[in-house]
Amino acid sequence: NAGVMQNPRHLVRRRGQEARLRCSPMKGHSHVYWYRQLPEEGLKFMVYLQKENIIDESGMPKERFSAEFPKEGPSILRIQQVVRGDSAAYFCASSQGLASDTQYFGPGTRLTVL
Amino acid sequence: KQEVTQIPAALSVPEGENLVLNCSFTDSAIYNLQWFRQDPGKGLTSLLLIQSSQREQTSGRLNASLDKSSGRSTLYIAASQPGDSATYLCAVEYGNKLVFGAGTILRVKS
Repeated sequence: NAGVMQNPRHLVRRRGQEARLRCSPMKGHSHVYWYRQLPEEGLKFMVYLQKENIIDESGMPKERFSAEFPKEGPSILRIQQVVRGDSAAYFCASSQGLASDTQYFGPGTRLTVL
Repeated sequence: KQEVTQIPAALSVPEGENLVLNCSFTDSAIYNLQWFRQDPGKGLTSLLLIQSSQREQTSGRLNASLDKSSGRSTLYIAASQPGDSATYLCAVEYGNKLVFGAGTILRVKS
């Protein structure tokens, strides 16, 4: 049973470009969470999605960031017009969505904005 | 505001020592608490999960305790080894999200 998969593992973008980060949850998991780890800071919750629904986006920056989890395919975190401050490690986690269920984390995507 | 604090920020010990990492949280209405390990440039590995109704969990040389009323958790590592060197993260689940502490960077010297 493959774990949570994220790709790419490393992504380099120039300022103003778009970044697309993908996350495939563990088999049987229908709930996906995105977290961001800025340099020298802890992980911060960004967004919680179920298939075709955003459940909680209280941690998402108001502009340029969006997330989706379509009926088919991986979850996508999209950052438009990236700036240097977006450089961070972005982690995806998945769960079955049961009460107090463990979230399983992927290896992360490290975004560098030049 | 839901905040998680970890003390100390960094710890260096000789191999073989027993050690304790501390975690405190401001909001006691938690679902569960997890301890993770993160190696440099890597993802997170879940070490122990304590449900809100539990007091402790053990796995091998690791023991985690939870005191909801005081908003504290400790991770005890027995007979530390150089391979234990990593950043240890405490995360508290509120509803559907985890709130993380900043971590304790542990170095075990051989």
